[in-house]
Amino acid sequence: GENVEQHPSTLSVQEGDSAVIKCTYSDSASNYFPWYKQELGKRPQLIIDIRSNVGEKKDQRIAVTLNKTAKHFSLHITETQPEDSAVYFCAASIRGATNKLIFGTGTLLAVQP
Amino acid sequence: DAGVTQSPTHLIKTRGQQVTLRCSPKSGHDTVSWYQQALGQGPQFIFQYYEEEERQRGNFPDRFSGHQFPNYSSELNVNALLLGDSALYLCASSLAQGSRGYTFGSGTRLTVV
Repeated sequence: GENVEQHPSTLSVQEGDSAVIKCTYSDSASNYFPWYKQELGKRPQLIIDIRSNVGEKKDQRIAVTLNKTAKHFSLHITETQPEDSAVYFCAASIRGATNKLIFGTGTLLAVQP
Repeated sequence: DAGVTQSPTHLIKTRGQQVTLRCSPKSGHDTVSWYQQALGQGPQFIFQYYEEEERQRGNFPDRFSGHQFPNYSSELNVNALLLGDSALYLCASSLAQGSRGYTFGSGTRLTVV
């Protein structure tokens, strides 16, 4: 069935270092891949997304890459700051149908000052 | 601009009881999806409503039901509550023909005792 695997489950980095979170999806029909940031007790917030017709997208310190052949996509955060500390979720969906999101299990990112 | 609003924010119920959660979508959005987020897990898709009909359903029992009103707001009903239903219930709104991801509400924290 539909499944999204996410690794690592926890990630600790020093301020200023880069962080990489990786996801793998199972449904080859998936064509939309958003990333959400969820701070403790708050709602998930969309931080970046990518469509299957694009291999990479960047927004300031955040970038996402997609490898359709391998069904992998990754989130890259450069020059990490303490306020980047949160749980990050990847997700996959098939846009144009119901756009139901299948989420990964989340990565707790801790940026040490 | 009001985002997605959910009520109540917190709720404590006893096993076997019934509960109704409410959601008002972001202005301009016509589709409402409900997700269940257990502690330490990614959100799990319950169902999605569009044009007052359930458009797709996740792997949840019939105890979970919903409704969408003409003003696009929505309710999630859970009957015969179990301890395992304790979770954060997230409502997300979107445009049926939109190109971006969902906007999430802050959720309702349901505790079943």
